[in-house]
Amino acid sequence: DAKTTQPPSMDCAEGRAANLPCNHSTISGNEYVYWYRQIHSQGPQYIIHGLKNNETNEMASLIITEDRKSSTLILPHATLRDTAVYYCIVKGAGSYQLTFGKGTKLSVIP
Amino acid sequence: NAGVTQTPKFQVLKTGQSMTLQCAQDMNHEYMSWYRQDPGMGLRLIHYSVGAGITDQGEVPNGYNVSRSTTEDFPLRLLSAAPSQTSVYFCASSKYSGVRSYNEQFFGPGTRLTVL
Repeated sequence: DAKTTQPPSMDCAEGRAANLPCNHSTISGNEYVYWYRQIHSQGPQYIIHGLKNNETNEMASLIITEDRKSSTLILPHATLRDTAVYYCIVKGAGSYQLTFGKGTKLSVIP
Repeated sequence: NAGVTQTPKFQVLKTGQSMTLQCAQDMNHEYMSWYRQDPGMGLRLIHYSVGAGITDQGEVPNGYNVSRSTTEDFPLRLLSAAPSQTSVYFCASSKYSGVRSYNEQFFGPGTRLTVL
């Protein structure tokens, strides 16, 4: 599975959009981009995933660049409850194993 | 649904002791797995199972055993605890729809283990 690079930390003002970047320059054609988050040492929580088209659900939007070498997770209106570590994971369709890096610690500030 | 449950929440062991961490899910998920998370690090896969009677090793299997006799339960056994196994352990489950599908994984609340 391709390696990902994320900034170690980010701040976002409450009510503003949080844009979390992820670099996955070695991604291959059949690998998906997944995002999970972990709130204060709880178990990780699935957010969204995509292959090459942009995706949106009730939690977030995922923007994948045309060359698929990077992506951005967007939380449209961040709240204090969105403070968490966000993990970007690249994984092939044939595997159920998630490889977690250190993620990005997002702090939402009042 | 209770989702994924783990017991105990906290455990302290002495070096050399054995114990079993329990994991259960009530969602009829075929896939279950165990991860460990060390301070400041991401999760690392220990063992996983794609159905009853089928288990396989992940990234860090040494010192741990698993078995899957039912769909619901996936216990993790520490044979002889060592201080290096001090960690937070998470169990996860998901539906298994074949190699070309993906289903979100649901994680339990974790077991915090300290080995002295």
